[in-house]
Amino acid sequence: DVKVTQSSRYLVKRTGEKVFLECVQDMDHENMFWYRQDPGLGLRLIYFSYDVKMKEKGDIPEGYSVSREKKERFSLILESASTNQTSMYLCASSSVTDRRYNYGYTFGSGTRLTVV
Amino acid sequence: AQKVTQAQTEISVVEKEDVTLDCVYETRDTTYYLFWYKQPPSGELVFLIRRNSFDEQNEISGRYSWNFQKSTSSFNFTITASQVVDSAVYFCALNIMDSNYQLIWGAGTKLIIKP
Repeated sequence: DVKVTQSSRYLVKRTGEKVFLECVQDMDHENMFWYRQDPGLGLRLIYFSYDVKMKEKGDIPEGYSVSREKKERFSLILESASTNQTSMYLCASSSVTDRRYNYGYTFGSGTRLTVV
Repeated sequence: AQKVTQAQTEISVVEKEDVTLDCVYETRDTTYYLFWYKQPPSGELVFLIRRNSFDEQNEISGRYSWNFQKSTSSFNFTITASQVVDSAVYFCALNIMDSNYQLIWGAGTKLIIKP
């Protein structure tokens, strides 16, 4: 079964800490995405990547950076965590060439991050 | 501009009732895809269906059915004989071809099925 795996389900970090959220997919997908989800605000795109070492800002990139050194791994970095970054973070991947995946996204289970 | 609107923030029904979740989209593209995803309390979004813009046939999968109408730019989702396990947040999304396959998301509808 194809999978997107997020390294942590729950995470608690202190204000000012550097935080790494890891996402790995085993489907050889070109595209990978990081979203945050907050009550009443739906899914908001933080960053996405079309290929290794490529990245594009989404709608709310401030306070975040990303890294994609290998095709299967897409990391989200909170340079200096703040309480307003407490949220559910969702990673997703998609393929532009593999019709089996219907051009939709496959999501990870999410990481619920609390910054105290 | 592309946009997806799910006007219903929350719907609550009693088990076994039928329920329809509305989705209205905006795009000037002629080629696009529409999706529905389910997010149960566990948090992971699960793909339910994809429909392309050239296929207006309605689709039925068990208790789920989808009504795609280009004339009204709508892609509504109906659950027949709802069950408690259908309780979740449901998202509608739009994918246009020149966006490098980014999905444009609706805000989601929270569906509560009461026993």
